[in-house]
Amino acid sequence: LAKTTQPISMDSYEGQEVNITCSHNNIATNDYITWYQQFPSQGPRFIIQGYKTKVTNEVASLFIPADRKSSTLSLPRVSLSDTAVYYCLVGGRELTGGGNKLTFGTGTQLKVEL
Amino acid sequence: EAQVTQNPRYLITVTGKKLTVTCSQNMNHEYMSWYRQDPGLGLRQIYYSMNVEVTDKGDVPEGYKVSRKEKRNFPLILESPSPNQTSLYFCASSYLGTSGSPAKNIQYFGAGTRLSVL
Repeated sequence: LAKTTQPISMDSYEGQEVNITCSHNNIATNDYITWYQQFPSQGPRFIIQGYKTKVTNEVASLFIPADRKSSTLSLPRVSLSDTAVYYCLVGGRELTGGGNKLTFGTGTQLKVEL
Repeated sequence: EAQVTQNPRYLITVTGKKLTVTCSQNMNHEYMSWYRQDPGLGLRQIYYSMNVEVTDKGDVPEGYKVSRKEKRNFPLILESPSPNQTSLYFCASSYLGTSGSPAKNIQYFGAGTRLSVL
């Protein structure tokens, strides 16, 4: 599985756009990029997934450059309720070496203030 | 309602007293896994299971056991808990789909079990 690196924390204000970048330099050809959101005292939940270019849903956008060595989760016009930890997960099917493990990493703590 | 149910939600125990945290899902998912979450360390996978009777180690399996006798259940067993196993634990499940890859499928998490080992 590709190792991921994210900023430990980010601060923002209500109404701003927030971009959280995840670095995954050794991403494999069949790897997908998935982002999860975790509120305090809750389990993580799926936000968005992509393979290349741009993906958008009602919650966020995911930008993936051509080399796929990084990805950026974009949250438009954040509110206080977007305060959470955001995890980037990269992986696909690996046939050897315990490749069905999932490595979520340390995540990014986003704090949104008024 | 589709869900992953963990029990108990909170548990305080003493060193060496065997305990089991249960996990059940009602979505007929093949893949199930356990994680622990500690401050500054994020989510770390303990064990995972690709299907009934198929389990494998995650990144931090020491001190834990699991079993998968039924598709819906995946209990986490601490045979002799120690204080360094004090943590927040999450169970998760997903389909494997045509890709056979858990990373390509949405993981559904339980609400968590907060364990304190004294």
